Amino acid sequence: QVQLQESGPGLVKPSGTLSLTCAVSGDSISSNNWWSWVRQSPGKGLEWIGEIYYSGSTGYNPSLKSRLTTSVDKSKNQFSLKLNSVTAADTAVYYCTRRRDGIPYIDVWGKGTTVTVSS
Amino acid sequence: EIVLTQSPGTLSLSPGERATLSCRASQSIRSGFLAWYQQKPGQAPRLLIYGASSRATGIPDRFSGSGSGTDFILTISRLETEDFAFYYCQQYNSSPLTFGGGTKVDIK
Repeated sequence: QVQLQESGPGLVKPSGTLSLTCAVSGDSISSNNWWSWVRQSPGKGLEWIGEIYYSGSTGYNPSLKSRLTTSVDKSKNQFSLKLNSVTAADTAVYYCTRRRDGIPYIDVWGKGTTVTVSS
Repeated sequence: EIVLTQSPGTLSLSPGERATLSCRASQSIRSGFLAWYQQKPGQAPRLLIYGASSRATGIPDRFSGSGSGTDFILTISRLETEDFAFYYCQQYNSSPLTFGGGTKVDIK
């Protein structure tokens, strides 16, 4: 059974960098999947942040692209997200997810981690 | 960007009733590229329907999806208490992947 587990600071200061990691178990980070991030602001809907393939290919939401970096660590079977210049609008539950290559939907979700941007 | 508009925002129904949720796209979507998710408070979303009409593994047959082009429907034939939740449609016909704003199905 594939499991995804997010980790990272729960509190980030405004103008700082939000950094999260997703540990993958039950699947190889180098398999034919896109590893992605989705966030949900308090009381709001879902927003796709972006995705990365093990080769390093990426797809980003244009609304976040200028502040976003994603990476894959094959040795640790995990992937990461960095979002810089954060504001209160970036406060959300962040989910890491899996989308199989060629399949246009997400089939595995992590439990989510709450990140608050506040001084 | 393809915008997905879900309606109604909230659907208040009783157990045993039929629920009909709508998802309208700002441009045509190939049917294979539309999915539905269920989310309960404090939980991650769960895939319900993919390819507009195929049920994901373990999803009861009271859930069904239909539609094409710009108009898609999620139907729950007879609501059970565990079905009261939020429902989101999602497309990846073109990047970026987008979600609808959601429909809350709550108990009347």
